[in-house]
Amino acid sequence: EPEVTQTPSHQVTQMGQEVILRCVPISNHLYFYWYRQILGQKVEFLVSFYNNEISEKSEIFDDQFSVERPDGSNFTLKIRSTKLEDSAMYFCASSVGSGEVTEAFFGQGTRLTVV
Amino acid sequence: RKEVEQDPGPFNVPEGATVAFNCTYSNSASQSFFWYRQDCRKEPKLLMSVYSSGNEDGRFTAQLNRASQYISLLIRDSKLSDSATYLCVVNAWGQGEKLIFGQGTELSVKP
Repeated sequence: EPEVTQTPSHQVTQMGQEVILRCVPISNHLYFYWYRQILGQKVEFLVSFYNNEISEKSEIFDDQFSVERPDGSNFTLKIRSTKLEDSAMYFCASSVGSGEVTEAFFGQGTRLTVV
Repeated sequence: RKEVEQDPGPFNVPEGATVAFNCTYSNSASQSFFWYRQDCRKEPKLLMSVYSSGNEDGRFTAQLNRASQYISLLIRDSKLSDSATYLCVVNAWGQGEKLIFGQGTELSVKP
C-alpha cells in the first residue's frame, strides 16, 4: 500500500540552527501539506502546496518557515532559525485532489526537539 | 468558539460496549468531514469520511447533521484495539486546502 514517508524520524537541534524535514508524498497525489502537533495538543495546519506553490498557510507559518519541492518526489519543510517552541511532531500529508476529495494520508512524522 | 470541538475524554469502556463520540464545527462553509484515529505518538490515520446520508463501515457508523453542524461516530462492540484518540476533522472546501482538527477524544477499552 502506498504511503507517505518522512525522514528523519527524530531530529535534535540547537536553538537558532536551521533544520530541513523531508517527505516523500504518495506518487499520484497532487496536494501536499505540513502539520505539526505539540505534545499534548491538537494537530495544527501549517501549509498546503499545489502546483509548485503554496496554496494556503496558517499564521504559524511565518518567515522562518519555507517549503520546497526540489524534484519530482521530495517535499521539504525548512525552519531557518529554530526556537524552543518549534519542538513538536511534524507531519507531512498528501491527497489526490481538493474539494470533495480531500482524504489526506499522513506520514509517520518527524519529532523535532530544539534544545 | 473553537473551529472544531469534541467531547472531552477520556472514555473508559469495557470490551463489547458501544461508545459514541460527538463533534461540532463552527464554519458553516465546511464541506468535507472525517474521523481519524491517532495512536499514542503516531500519525493520524483516516478512519472514515463522513457523508450527509450517514455511512457505516463494519462496527463504525458516522453521522453528519449540517443544520446543527454536528458530526458523530458510533463504535459498536468495542475491542481492545479500538483504544486510541479519535479526531474529528473538517475541511472548508473552497476556503483553502487545509484540514481543521479537533482536540481529539481518548478512548480506552478495558478487558
